[in-house]
Amino acid sequence: QQPVQSPQAVILREGEDAVINCSSSKALYSVHWYRQKHGEAPVFLMILLKGGEQKGHEKISASFNEKKQQSSLYLTASQLSYSGTYFCGTEGSDAGNMLTFGGGTRLMVKP
Amino acid sequence: DVKVTQSSRYLVKRTGEKVFLECVQDMDHENMFWYRQDPGLGLRLIYFSYDVKMKEKGDIPEGYSVSREKKERFSLILESASTNQTSMYLCASHPDGAGANVLTFGAGSRLTVL
Repeated sequence: QQPVQSPQAVILREGEDAVINCSSSKALYSVHWYRQKHGEAPVFLMILLKGGEQKGHEKISASFNEKKQQSSLYLTASQLSYSGTYFCGTEGSDAGNMLTFGGGTRLMVKP
Repeated sequence: DVKVTQSSRYLVKRTGEKVFLECVQDMDHENMFWYRQDPGLGLRLIYFSYDVKMKEKGDIPEGYSVSREKKERFSLILESASTNQTSMYLCASHPDGAGANVLTFGAGSRLTVL
């Protein structure tokens, strides 16, 4: 079953912050985050493992709450380059490395 | 850098035609995947392959087949294209190894079936 991402879309001004959430109905081993810019391939941002620490990538960080089977992606002081669609991919505790992706969150950063 | 190349960025086909989507990766990855991307539905797995000549169904395999004759090449086949197969198709790969399932994607093939 696909994880649920929220919000589906968000519009920001440069410098504003945003949070994207990813929620699963099953126990998770890991959560991946990818960003896809318009017309380009999705690109890996970070992976959060069960029992692992919060991760960061530039001014983008993420957390993973194993008990709630949720992950959140935090975009701080957003830049124009952050625009794109963000996908979470979840790996179940018994999934054997297969990822299931959420529906995506479309982020637009305006000047 | 790992590179995943999808040979056709845009295709327009007629209903009933046989369609081949080709994907090549250059980093000797064992595992290759085909996803379908639709607005609001995210990426849905069609088929994957963990070795040459091996294939496994994903979540939405109906109407599709795949071929992997060489390690670097993974083809998606639509035996008889239908309009509901109009979509963006993404190929991806990753190597074997614990914790190594970070996917590298191709840029996608946008298929329109008329």
